[in-house]
Amino acid sequence: QSVLTQPPSASGTPGQTVTISCSGSSSNIGSNYVYWYHQLPGTAPKLLIYRNNQRPSGVPDRFSGSKSGTSASLAISGLRSEDEADYYCAAWDDSLSGPVFGGGTKLTVL
Amino acid sequence: EVQLVQSGAEVKKPGESLKISCKGSGYSFTSYWIGWVRQMPGKGLEWMGIIYPGDSDTRYSPSFQGQVTISADKSISTAYLQWSSLKASDTAMYYCARMSPTYYYGSGSYFDYWGQGTLVTVSS
Repeated sequence: QSVLTQPPSASGTPGQTVTISCSGSSSNIGSNYVYWYHQLPGTAPKLLIYRNNQRPSGVPDRFSGSKSGTSASLAISGLRSEDEADYYCAAWDDSLSGPVFGGGTKLTVL
Repeated sequence: EVQLVQSGAEVKKPGESLKISCKGSGYSFTSYWIGWVRQMPGKGLEWMGIIYPGDSDTRYSPSFQGQVTISADKSISTAYLQWSSLKASDTAMYYCARMSPTYYYGSGSYFDYWGQGTLVTVSS
């Protein structure tokens, strides 16, 4: 059971906008930044969004993050087939004194 | 270019010991914390622990405290994760990851670069 809660799956058709949610508590998302990673099949996770809504260089602006209270969201606009991957949210947890992750959302592009 | 290169896949029997490695390059290895993350088959990511190679300060997740040992050899820019007695439930992919920003471990820190993963299979 992961500390952060994500829907196990999401889907969309090419060109659509898909949103993935991430729910936590006051000790993690409620008081710390949220990060998003994507993991293509058979590869290592890659940082997609840091500090709630910042994109590392090289990440397209089709990916955007937001946070409100103890929840966060990742939006992917202009969906492409290559976006099919697992997406994980993460945040620092004050109780654990370490990072916590969501269980992951498998995105399918129909 | 920042790179974390992990050692190859391992197949072990229950009760055996194991040490896997993660070699950093392209940055100052002693200036960033390096963490280990477990991914069990078909499951999500779990933080195991972290080390600061500069002085070997080490922290563990309560779920993994006493189950594994994290170490580092700064002379060869390599971090390690080891088990003294493997169990079948240790079968998983293990990732090392660099934590940013420099020197810091705490709220606001995050994993920015990841190794390619080491698959550990424990089976009799």
